[in-house]
Amino acid sequence: EVQLVESGGGLVQPGGSLRLSCAASGFTFSTFWMYWVRQAPGKGLEWVASIKGDGGEKYHGDSVKGRFTISRDNAKNSLYLQMNSLRAEDTAVYYCARDCGYYRFDPWGQGTLVTVSS
Amino acid sequence: QSALTQPPSASGSPGQSVTISCTGTSSDVGGYNYVSWYQQYPGKAPKLILYEVTKRPSGVPDRFSGSKSGNTASLTVSGLQAEDEADYYCTSFAGRGVFGGGTKLTVL
Repeated sequence: EVQLVESGGGLVQPGGSLRLSCAASGFTFSTFWMYWVRQAPGKGLEWVASIKGDGGEKYHGDSVKGRFTISRDNAKNSLYLQMNSLRAEDTAVYYCARDCGYYRFDPWGQGTLVTVSS
Repeated sequence: QSALTQPPSASGSPGQSVTISCTGTSSDVGGYNYVSWYQQYPGKAPKLILYEVTKRPSGVPDRFSGSKSGNTASLTVSGLQAEDEADYYCTSFAGRGVFGGGTKLTVL
């Protein structure tokens, strides 16, 4: 079964850091682009970052550029999101998703909640 | 602000059909047959229900169908059921992943 499981969310103070992980199973992880997508409370989906299968290309959304870094470890079938200088507006559920090609995101993980508050 | 425009809400009665639009530009929706649609229930992760404009993943009812005309893609839900009440998002291949603003579908 193809599965993605996120972890690492929690409560963090403004200016703090957090590292999210996404464990993949059931498919050849290294051959797929992977994405982080977030959803603030009551809001829509927002693309955060994406990374090529071999890690050779990475892109970050404007709202997180310079603060967040996407990475992957294909030996561990894991995707990561290092989040630094966190702000209140980063509060959201963070999902990882596999891109099956041309923005066909399937599956999605269950999501992990990040709350930035003092 | 999303680059893909969806109506914030749509509604229909059980058994009726409802169509949700997703309007982009010639650089995304109009330029590629790579529009996907996602269904999301409250507190749950999104689920892929259509891809490449018209294709349904295994297990998705054929009540869900897609089409495209020019720069606008559409999701049609036929024979509405109570379980179809959810949020729906579109995305179109356009470089780095852009989601529509989402449409809340209410079954009256």
